[in-house]
Amino acid sequence: AQSVAQPEDQVNVAEGNPLTVKCTYSVSGNPYLFWYVQYPNRGLQFLLKYITGDNLVKGSYGFEAEFNKSQTSFHLKKPSALVSDSALYFCAVDYKLSFGAGTTVTVRA
Amino acid sequence: EAGVAQSPRYKIIEKRQSVAFWCNPISGHATLYWYQQILGQGPKLLIQFQNNGVVDDSQLPKDRFSAERLKGVDSTLKIQPAKLEDSAVYLCASSLGGGGPDTQYFGPGTRLTVL
Repeated sequence: AQSVAQPEDQVNVAEGNPLTVKCTYSVSGNPYLFWYVQYPNRGLQFLLKYITGDNLVKGSYGFEAEFNKSQTSFHLKKPSALVSDSALYFCAVDYKLSFGAGTTVTVRA
Repeated sequence: EAGVAQSPRYKIIEKRQSVAFWCNPISGHATLYWYQQILGQGPKLLIQFQNNGVVDDSQLPKDRFSAERLKGVDSTLKIQPAKLEDSAVYLCASSLGGGGPDTQYFGPGTRLTVL
């Protein structure tokens, strides 16, 4: 069965600092990996996906993610976090989207 | 381009009552999904349609949940009778459905509270 794990319930960073949200996956075969963000009282918004090719994927709002096959990871990163990045972030695998439990990101001014 | 539309946004019912949610996908999207998101958890897929046919309903509690997409466009998800544990946000998503790992686009969701 396809699954992802987000080991951190919460991530707190100061504005302007790098932001990393961790995700590890377990799949049989080649993984399709996604990141979504959810703001309060809103649906999920697509950030980026990895299907094949370059291990570094660039997405919306300055986010990027690095696919690491040996570590079965797909961590989300942003070089300089903004207060407006505060939200709930979900990693997902497979095109039927098996989601992780989510990581709450808080960026303090 | 209009996004995925859902209604109502909020619904409060008592247990054993019935409820229905409506979703209108992005125009031209062949694939439609319904997810259940319980507070503190990631969304869980309930059912996937390709046009007006069901592709996957393996996680749909069929004794009380039903869904249809009769004309291959909008869709309705029904719960009858509702239980307390059905309290959740119900998310609809759509994708082009050309095969492979399409990006799914989500609606704002319907928050259901069962008392």
